[in-house]
Amino acid sequence: ETGVTQSPTHLIKTRGQQVTLRCSSQSGHNTVSWYQQALGQGPQFIFQYYREEENGRGNFPPRFSGLQFPNYSSELNVNALELDDSALYLCASSFGRGTEAFFGQGTRLTVV
Amino acid sequence: AQTVTQSQPEMSVQEAETVTLSCTYDTSESDYYLFWYKQPPSRQMILVIRQEAYKQQNATENRFSVNFQKAAKSFSLKISDSQLGDAAMYFCAYRSEYGGSQGNLIFGKGTKLSVKP
Repeated sequence: ETGVTQSPTHLIKTRGQQVTLRCSSQSGHNTVSWYQQALGQGPQFIFQYYREEENGRGNFPPRFSGLQFPNYSSELNVNALELDDSALYLCASSFGRGTEAFFGQGTRLTVV
Repeated sequence: AQTVTQSQPEMSVQEAETVTLSCTYDTSESDYYLFWYKQPPSRQMILVIRQEAYKQQNATENRFSVNFQKAAKSFSLKISDSQLGDAAMYFCAYRSEYGGSQGNLIFGKGTKLSVKP
């Protein structure tokens, strides 16, 4: 297992609500990336945080936002949840932007 | 934009046999990394093997090896002596080494590998 931990592991929310997912990066890692994996699909890049600054974003609307804290842990916030936001959300940490990424076990979000 | 294509949604192999998973990609860049990740039912993505585009030699990790054909933009994974624990989803991924895209992975849709005892 990697040292990347995500919480919660499962979550059910109602359409229109807001959700916050958390990721604790592996010790020594200063970069966190978030991915959305819909059922039966490969993960899609949401955004990346490097030393507390957003550093690259995929094709996701502004209601997907994030934070990285001084200890390099990170949050993914999604506002105004839609049914299509139901997916596995994966966090990956690395030391620097171009180095090997280690993934957490993911958060399964279900929007009803 | 870069794309990654895995044309085999499902594959099956007999235990102890060899199987090859296919991956093609499209890019105009010359410097990049390619990866194979394994995702078991536990959901955690596990790095299987990586290949640097500037290296001509194919990467090998124990029973796992790749056939990297840069000109053809092909990157297949060969699993030798398949074991029951190899059963999982396998994802091919591309990572640019340039600018704002550096660090984010572009994944294919995956291949589900079953291993028969």
